[in-house]
Amino acid sequence: AQSVAQPEDQVNVAEGNPLTVKCTYSVSGNPYLFWYVQYPNRGLQFLLKYITGDNLVKGSYGFEAEFNKSQTSFHLKKPSALVSDSALYFCAVRVGVEVTGGGNKLTFGTGTQLKVEL
Amino acid sequence: ETGVTQTPRHLVMGMTNKKSLKCEQHLGHNAMYWYKQSAKKPLELMFVYNFKEQTENNSVPSRFSPECPNSSHLFLHLHTLQPEDSALYLCASSQDMTSGSYEQFFGPGTRLTVL
Repeated sequence: AQSVAQPEDQVNVAEGNPLTVKCTYSVSGNPYLFWYVQYPNRGLQFLLKYITGDNLVKGSYGFEAEFNKSQTSFHLKKPSALVSDSALYFCAVRVGVEVTGGGNKLTFGTGTQLKVEL
Repeated sequence: ETGVTQTPRHLVMGMTNKKSLKCEQHLGHNAMYWYKQSAKKPLELMFVYNFKEQTENNSVPSRFSPECPNSSHLFLHLHTLQPEDSALYLCASSQDMTSGSYEQFFGPGTRLTVL
């Protein structure tokens, strides 16, 4: 079975400090990995994805994530956090095989609440 | 959530009511999804449509009935719901289902409260 784990319910960081939000996955075959962010009373917004190629993926708002196959991880990072980054972050992995009807079914983690303080 | 709209944004209904949630995407996508988001739980995929055809029903109770009249519109018809159905219902769309590399775009959600 495919799954995603976000081990931290909440991450607190001071503004200007680097931040990391952790994600590990379990999937058969090669994973497609995604990060989404959700602000209060809003839907999920796509941040970045890993499909293949360079293990370091850059996304929106200065975020990046590093794919580590040996550790089955896809941690989200940002060099310098902003108060406006405070939100709920979801990691997701694609399940199924790349055929019609199963190719885009995402399994999400439970989310990590990021709080950036002054 | 740009490009995917949902109405209403908030809905309060009794257990005997019938209501519908509407989703519209303006992105030219061919796949649309309904998710249920409850507090402290992962997003639950409910239904998937690809080119207007339902390709996934994730063991959803029959009191939830989806409808996809075209690739741009998706409805979720609700009847005789239970209080535990109270949640945020999210609609999403993606290019199509043929590649898992396509990210999904989400609407703002409908906050449903069942009394």
